[in-house]
Amino acid sequence: QLQLQESGPGLVKPSETLSLTCTVSDGSISSSTYYWGWVRQPPGKGLEWIASVYYSGTTFYNPSLKSRVTISVDKSKNQFSLRLSAVTTADTAVYYCARLRYFGWYFDLWGRGTLVTVSS
Amino acid sequence: QSVLTQPPSVSGAPGQRVSISCTGSSSNLGTGYDVHWYQQLPGTAPKLLISANSNRPSGVPDRFSGSKSGTSASLAISGLQAEDEADYYCQSYDSSLSGWVFGGGTRLTVL
Repeated sequence: QLQLQESGPGLVKPSETLSLTCTVSDGSISSSTYYWGWVRQPPGKGLEWIASVYYSGTTFYNPSLKSRVTISVDKSKNQFSLRLSAVTTADTAVYYCARLRYFGWYFDLWGRGTLVTVSS
Repeated sequence: QSVLTQPPSVSGAPGQRVSISCTGSSSNLGTGYDVHWYQQLPGTAPKLLISANSNRPSGVPDRFSGSKSGTSASLAISGLQAEDEADYYCQSYDSSLSGWVFGGGTRLTVL
């Protein structure tokens, strides 16, 4: 069963860049059936899609975050990554990586999530 | 303000049936994009509950069902159980935003 695992710092200072990596295990990130994405959830709030990437490098970004976000894929490591620049306390959230099914456009597999706190 | 609108909360007694609505617009549900539903138990990651309007992934009880009509969709849960107490989210694709959107979430309380 394919699994996703987020990793990265749990604490980031305001104005700095948040960097997270999602490792795909027991499966290939190069599958033609799936995109890969990041979704976040501020404490006590709902889900917000951040960005998605295909193994070829094709990317999609949430327009509200696009100016600060970069998503990338590393096929050699079976990983994909998120960078969010100029963070503020509003970026404090649990960040989930997820598998996005190409046909249907739904997130069928999720990582456990990692809490990132933005604080000085 | 979420692109997809859900009621903040619903409740029901064990054994009862509840439904959760999800209202979109002409740039998402109304243009033919499917709606999908997720269950998020307290302290855990979301889990796919219903895909493509009404399809249950393997392992999801048939107490859960989904439907879609025009710009609206609905998740129904029959035979409510205490373990169903969770947050439920609808999700679709929006052509105006060129991206994926979620509803604001609905908290189900089993009385």
